[in-house]
Amino acid sequence: ETGVTQSPTHLIKTRGQQVTLRCSSQSGHNTVSWYQQALGQGPQFIFQYYREEENGRGNFPPRFSGLQFPNYSSELNVNALELDDSALYLCASSTGTHSVLTFGAGSRLTVL
Amino acid sequence: SQQGEEDPQALSIQEGENATMNCSYKTSINNLQWYRQNSGRGLVHLILIRSNEREKHSGRLRVTLDTSKKSSSLLITASRAADTASYFCATEGLREGGADGLTFGKGTHLIIQP
Repeated sequence: ETGVTQSPTHLIKTRGQQVTLRCSSQSGHNTVSWYQQALGQGPQFIFQYYREEENGRGNFPPRFSGLQFPNYSSELNVNALELDDSALYLCASSTGTHSVLTFGAGSRLTVL
Repeated sequence: SQQGEEDPQALSIQEGENATMNCSYKTSINNLQWYRQNSGRGLVHLILIRSNEREKHSGRLRVTLDTSKKSSSLLITASRAADTASYFCATEGLREGGADGLTFGKGTHLIIQP
């Protein structure tokens, strides 16, 4: 049984650029959630995808968008990057919309 | 926004001692969970306690929940060097239907001295 895998592990972008982060969910999991974790803080909920549709969203602007594919993998897209977007982006999968989360190792984004 | 607040922010103890971390939250919850994170990597789920439960055990872990005080504690007994990590409490709200996600605190950084 494979866990949650995320790519890339590290990336550096400049302000104003766009980024796409990818996530493969754990086998048997149909729900994917994305979290942003700034340095020294706890993770903050960005959104959740279930059955290829956004099922809930945290307090993040529309330039944060996502997709879920038929194989339950997911992408997080961030447009018009700002310096404050520098963070660890965590993907988590689960067997349902209110279940325990299995996290990936994260993608660390630095915006210069 | 962060709902949970862990206390203390950092804790350093000797190997073999017990470690206790506390968490307070603000709104009514469906359940409260504890996660561990090593060195800025992914989080690992430790234990979940539902709002109608008061205490739960899993191996060396003991979690309590007091919904009247909106607080929880995590006790790790007989600590080991491998327990060195950051520990987060996370609450799931009562919303039905769509998801609000988990609301995490800022975490307690635990250091186990050999």
